[in-house]
Amino acid sequence: EAGVTQFPSHSVIEKGQTVTLRCDPISGHDNLYWYRRVMGKEIKFLLHFVKESKQDESGMPNNRFLAERTGGTYSTLKVQPAELEDSGVYFCASSLLGQPGLATDTQYFGPGTRLTVL
Amino acid sequence: EDQVTQSPEALRLQEGESSSLNCSYTVSGLRGLFWYRQDPGKGPEFLFTLYSAGEEKEKERLKATLTKKESFLHITAPKPEDSATYLCAVQAYGGKLIFGQGTELSVKP
Repeated sequence: EAGVTQFPSHSVIEKGQTVTLRCDPISGHDNLYWYRRVMGKEIKFLLHFVKESKQDESGMPNNRFLAERTGGTYSTLKVQPAELEDSGVYFCASSLLGQPGLATDTQYFGPGTRLTVL
Repeated sequence: EDQVTQSPEALRLQEGESSSLNCSYTVSGLRGLFWYRQDPGKGPEFLFTLYSAGEEKEKERLKATLTKKESFLHITAPKPEDSATYLCAVQAYGGKLIFGQGTELSVKP
């Protein structure tokens, strides 16, 4: 079974440009999460989709970030316009949709996209 | 505020030298505590989930334990291939994971 895949693996862009990151979750996983690790810091939550709906976007840093999950399958994360502080590694994770109150939410991570903004 | 602190930040061991990694946490409504392993240039790889105080899980040379305030990852007789960054994360209600900064483990032959 294929794991979580992310594209591209690396992206180098100039400040002010736009970049779109893509995540393909494990087939059948309705939960999809985006996380980010900036240099020297811990991995931090950005947002959570359940199927095509945004369940929690409390970690999105500002309105330059736009996430979508059309049809409840793959997801994209667009940064427009990119700033220097957006550099980091962006991870996507997916998990099965468990019943509320049950601890079934093991998240499986993709390899990440390393974004460098110059 | 939900928080996870891992110690030490880095640990160097000789092959066969057992040790433990610590993960201290404060969270309202713990749903689970997760341990991941991360190799350079790769995403976190799932190791264990612990749900309640007193629970223990083992996998090869690794054993994870959980109390109400902290978790330990015990490494018995480590090998060089155990070298990696070990990440601890807690999950509160809602699903998101809150990570610690990780412990970078290096095992020398």
